[in-house]
Amino acid sequence: GDSVTQMEGPVTLSEEAFLTINCTYTATGYPSLFWYVQYPGEGLQLLLKATKADDKGSNKGFEATYRKETTSFHLEKGSVQVSDSAVYFCALAGSARQLTFGSGTQLTVLP
Amino acid sequence: DAGVTQSPTHLIKTRGQQVTLRCSPKSGHDTVSWYQQALGQGPQFIFQYYEEEERQRGNFPDRFSGHQFPNYSSELNVNALLLGDSALYLCASSLGRQGLRYEQYFGPGTRLTVT
Repeated sequence: GDSVTQMEGPVTLSEEAFLTINCTYTATGYPSLFWYVQYPGEGLQLLLKATKADDKGSNKGFEATYRKETTSFHLEKGSVQVSDSAVYFCALAGSARQLTFGSGTQLTVLP
Repeated sequence: DAGVTQSPTHLIKTRGQQVTLRCSPKSGHDTVSWYQQALGQGPQFIFQYYEEEERQRGNFPDRFSGHQFPNYSSELNVNALLLGDSALYLCASSLGRQGLRYEQYFGPGTRLTVT
């Protein structure tokens, strides 16, 4: 079945540092890939998505590229802010009409 | 434009009881999915409703059931509650006709505590 493996946290960075959160997946066919963010006490918000190989999703300074050859969708940001502190989830929509999520990565950005 | 809304926000139940959670989808959306998120974990898919029928189901027992109404709102029912059912229950809405490339919008969730 479909699965998502995500970099384990927690991750702690200083403000303006570079962020990478690794995500790899297993799926049949050509899934769509997503990054969601969850702030404390809130539901999930879609951060970015990519629907086919080599697509780059981007939003709010975050980027991720759909790499079919390495089955990866790593999240990056060049300069993180304190307000980026949250839990980040990688997810895929495969042959089943559902989202399969990774276990989440807690990011804390210190001023 | 109202987003996805869920009620109640928090709920405390006793083992063996039954609970009903409610969800109203984002305006214009016709598909509702339910997820269970245990503390420190990623959401797990429970089931999806489209055109008032369960279209897809995850690996959850029959104690979990649902319903979708003609206005696309949905309910999640859990019978014979167990301590392990304590979690954040998330509702997500989307457009069914978008198929595999759909984008789901999540509500704030209902925090269920079973004692």
